[in-house]
Amino acid sequence: DGGITQSPKYLFRKEGQNVTLSCEQNLNHDAMYWYRQDPGQGLRLIYYSQIVNDFQKGDIAEGYSVSREKKESFPLTVTSAQKNPTAFYLCASSLSGGLEQFFGPGTRLTVL
Amino acid sequence: QQPVQSPQAVILREGEDAVINCSSSKALYSVHWYRQKHGEAPVFLMILLKGGEQKGHDKISASFNEKKQQSSLYLTASQLSYSGTYFCGTDPKNNAGNMLTFGGGTRLMVKP
Repeated sequence: DGGITQSPKYLFRKEGQNVTLSCEQNLNHDAMYWYRQDPGQGLRLIYYSQIVNDFQKGDIAEGYSVSREKKESFPLTVTSAQKNPTAFYLCASSLSGGLEQFFGPGTRLTVL
Repeated sequence: QQPVQSPQAVILREGEDAVINCSSSKALYSVHWYRQKHGEAPVFLMILLKGGEQKGHDKISASFNEKKQQSSLYLTASQLSYSGTYFCGTDPKNNAGNMLTFGGGTRLMVKP
């Protein structure tokens, strides 16, 4: 079945450590996105990528980094520079120029 | 700037109707509606494009008033499965990468 996978579902890290969240899709989509969601809040765009080896900052990119070496993969690194990293992180993908975004199940990151 | 959704929350009895509004301060090319169940990923409902017709799916439909920069989501004869948080995502121009700005969400609870 085609879809988007994110791992792990729950992640705990100590303050000051970098952590990388995985996002893989087998939908053959060109565009991929990372969103952050805080309790009771909407989705805020962190980074997006339209093609391999190219990505753009979203509204809240500070303290995050991404790479897009393969079409299927778009990992997100939460660095120690991110002031308040505890949140629910969602990865999504869409066809290039497509309008519907497909979301993965999310990773809930807790920084202790 | 984030679109404003209203109401923030609504409680319905099964079979009742509801309207959720999404208002933007910017001119819009498209409005996207998603529903998110608690702890799950958002799921696409529909897209309304500038110049397009009102959309509908089963008993959920939506309209887009381009001049007022507003969209409304109509839930008719609500079912228990309609419970969740509804988000609108707005696109001020036809971004090839589909860079959406999401509203804060409307929490809908349908009771038996």
